[in-house]
Amino acid sequence: GQQVQQSPASLVLQEGENAELQCNFSTSLNSMQWFYQRPEGSLVSLFYNPSGTKQSGRLTSTTVIKERRSSLHISSSQITDSGTYLCAMDGSDTNAYKVIFGKGTHLHVLP
Amino acid sequence: EAAVTQSPRNKVAVTGGKVTLSCNQTNNHNNMYWYRQDTGHGLRLIHYSYGAGSTEKGDIPDGYKASRPSQENFSLILELATPSQTSVYFCASGDAWTDNQAPLFGEGTRLSVL
Repeated sequence: GQQVQQSPASLVLQEGENAELQCNFSTSLNSMQWFYQRPEGSLVSLFYNPSGTKQSGRLTSTTVIKERRSSLHISSSQITDSGTYLCAMDGSDTNAYKVIFGKGTHLHVLP
Repeated sequence: EAAVTQSPRNKVAVTGGKVTLSCNQTNNHNNMYWYRQDTGHGLRLIHYSYGAGSTEKGDIPDGYKASRPSQENFSLILELATPSQTSVYFCASGDAWTDNQAPLFGEGTRLSVL
């Protein structure tokens, strides 16, 4: 079945360091998104990025459709960046948008 | 304000009992989803719905039923709860992904089956 692989599974940074998170898809995808899950559990969308590069503040997402991969770059990490970063693909083959998630990258930023 | 509201937020159930998790959205989205999240597995899709009256099986539907009586409401039903169903459950609503739209998630329901 359709799968989403994320790496690394966990990452520990010193505040100020940069991070590169990877997401690979087992099948062709219609689109993908990056989500952030706060330590208490709530989920928010960071980027809708079906292709190309998008930037928002210290976050940059790059998706290469042909290679079935996407990356999320965090520059100058801050303690408040700690949490889980999830990527998800639209795996639908019908009108419904069947969202498939990776297992996430758990990020800990230390002071 | 667009929102997805889950209830209850926490639930303790006994093995063999019936559990109903409720989800309400005020976003007028056609699609709604139920996921469970477990350590080592990430978010896994249980059931989803295209609209009122429809339910579809996701990747791990066994032991769960779903009900979509209206555009706004989507319930997840555990007819005979088992300890393996102890998890955090998330409801979401969403339509086509665009720059201006993204799935919206509820705050999660923490279920413990004893």
